[in-house]
Amino acid sequence: EVQVLESGGGLVQPGGSLRLSCAASGFTYSTYAMSWVRQAPGKGLEWVSAISGSGSSTYYADAVRGRFTISRDNSKNTLSLQMNSLRAEDTAVYYCAKDEDYDFWNGYWDHWGQGTQVTVSS
Amino acid sequence: QSVLTQPPSASGTPGQRVTVSCSGSNSNIGSNPVNWYQQLPGTAPKLLIYTNDQRPSGVPDRFSGSKSGTSASLAISGLQSEDEADYYCAAWDDSLNGRVFGGGTQLTVL
Repeated sequence: EVQVLESGGGLVQPGGSLRLSCAASGFTYSTYAMSWVRQAPGKGLEWVSAISGSGSSTYYADAVRGRFTISRDNSKNTLSLQMNSLRAEDTAVYYCAKDEDYDFWNGYWDHWGQGTQVTVSS
Repeated sequence: QSVLTQPPSASGTPGQRVTVSCSGSNSNIGSNPVNWYQQLPGTAPKLLIYTNDQRPSGVPDRFSGSKSGTSASLAISGLQSEDEADYYCAAWDDSLNGRVFGGGTQLTVL
């Protein structure tokens, strides 16, 4: 059974940093792209960042480019999101999502985690 | 402001057929497949329709998708109370070099 489980969320002050992690199991991790998708309180879904199966290609939404860094460790089946210079508008539930293909473009997410809450507030 | 446009709400009575629209542009829906996600209250999103009109295993055939030009639609026939959820369309955008979502449609079963 495919499973993805996020961790690392919490309360952080504006300008601070936080690192999210996602543990994957139940599939050949290195052969699928992975993403982070977030949902602000009472709002819709917003794609944040993605990484190809090998980790050689990364993608970012304009809202986070230059502040967030996505990475993966295929030896440990883990995905990470390093978030720096956090702002109040980054407050959201962050979901880890598995892609249906090796690379990110033009595909879809076929499995999602339950999400981890990130709150940016003083 | 979402790149793809969906109506914020839709409703129907049990047994009815309802449709949810998703409007985009040539850089997204006009040139790339559309996918739909269902988010039940308090839960994570779930893949509902992929590549315009394909259903993953386990999704009832009451759910169907279609695409024409720069618009797409999700249809739900034989509406049931458990269909009450938020529905999101998504597609790759060639100009933004990323995936974009619609703002979501909250479906109420009356």
